[in-house]
Amino acid sequence: EAGVTQSPTHLIKTRGQQATLRCSPISGHTSVYWYQQALGLGLQFLLWYDEGEERNRGNFPPRFSGRQFPNYSSELNVNALELEDSALYLCASSLSGWTGDCTFGSGTRLTVV
Amino acid sequence: GESVGLHLPTLSVQEGDNSIINCAYSNSASDYFIWYKQESGKGPQFIIDIRSNMDKRQGQRVTVLLNKTVKHLSLQIAATQPGDSAVYFCAEKGGYNKLIFGAGTRLAVHP
Repeated sequence: EAGVTQSPTHLIKTRGQQATLRCSPISGHTSVYWYQQALGLGLQFLLWYDEGEERNRGNFPPRFSGRQFPNYSSELNVNALELEDSALYLCASSLSGWTGDCTFGSGTRLTVV
Repeated sequence: GESVGLHLPTLSVQEGDNSIINCAYSNSASDYFIWYKQESGKGPQFIIDIRSNMDKRQGQRVTVLLNKTVKHLSLQIAATQPGDSAVYFCAEKGGYNKLIFGAGTRLAVHP
């Protein structure tokens, strides 16, 4: 069974541009979570999608947004990129109504120059 | 605010020794905790979890201890192996399925 897949693996953007990151959850999982992991820091919760709806949002500015598609895959969009947005962006998935662990992908390394 | 922290940023152990990684959390109402292992270039991998109605839970070579009185978690790894070298995170389940992660502890296993 395929795990959580994220694309691209690496992404280099210029300050002010937009970045789009993609995530495919494990088959059967309807919840997708996005986390930001800045260098040397722990993971910071960004967004939670379930059944196509945004269910929770972390303490990030509105230029961080996303969506979940009918096939439960998800997109994270970051507009007006800033240098401090450089980080590893991790996607995780779980069954709906999660009460246990979620499975993480390997992440997209976003570098803003 | 909510936070989950770690006492030691780096832990060096000899192969075969036992390792103990500690973590403090701030929300006394939290009822679910997870330990993750993150190897270089990979996403966090679930190791073991524990609910607040338990004090101890054992897995294969790993044990998690929960002390609710002092809001403290620990991960014990028995007979540490080179493959255990990674960054370990504790996480606390916050509201609406949000995980609150600590900053992480790097475990370095030396032969």
